[in-house]
Amino acid sequence: SAVISQKPSRDICQRGTSLTIQCQVDSQVTMMFWYRQQPGQSLTLIATANQGSEATYESGFVIDKFPISRPNLTFSTLTVSNMSPEDSSIYLCSVANRELNGYTFGSGTRLTVV
Amino acid sequence: RKEVEQDPGPFNVPEGATVAFNCTYSNSASQSFFWYRQDCRKEPKLLMSVYSSGNEDGRFTAQLNRASQYISLLIRDSKLSDSATYLCAVNPPGTYKYIFGTGTRLKVLA
Repeated sequence: SAVISQKPSRDICQRGTSLTIQCQVDSQVTMMFWYRQQPGQSLTLIATANQGSEATYESGFVIDKFPISRPNLTFSTLTVSNMSPEDSSIYLCSVANRELNGYTFGSGTRLTVV
Repeated sequence: RKEVEQDPGPFNVPEGATVAFNCTYSNSASQSFFWYRQDCRKEPKLLMSVYSSGNEDGRFTAQLNRASQYISLLIRDSKLSDSATYLCAVNPPGTYKYIFGTGTRLKVLA
């Protein structure tokens, strides 16, 4: 399985500011996925990040709010822009796990907006 | 109807008990199904894939019922360490993404 290093692990941010979350994978992967998990909720896909092209966003998520970079096949960032308390959540990146045909997740970023 | 639904629980069971969870899905053409385990304040980790013929991994058995559009996870001889939230994930046809259920909480009691 791929090993994903995600950082920061947690942060407390002021409303109106932005936070960039990084994910580094130990192998080359075509697609990386960014999820959000709000308290007591399941995982919601924010966007799919492909190297060399714009990310594909799911309904309810827009690039201005969650810009994504994918400069190479092992790295991606997600920025949460102009944060409000409603953005308080856990953000997770993931990649397809070819061996088990599922996903491997990063350890997550626990974001609190005050 | 939600795309993927699970009973949130919690399921409180004694050690050694057998417990089963179901997960229903709405898209009959879905092809891939998985069970994940998520411990408190941790990321989800893949527990097992669910194959059409059913599959077993030690104390865990996963099954797919296409006619009724649900998958199940059976845990035999429950251990305290099995306490966690179990998420199902379904891959809709024609996409690479997975839709997750809200999870079922399991508490195994001593």
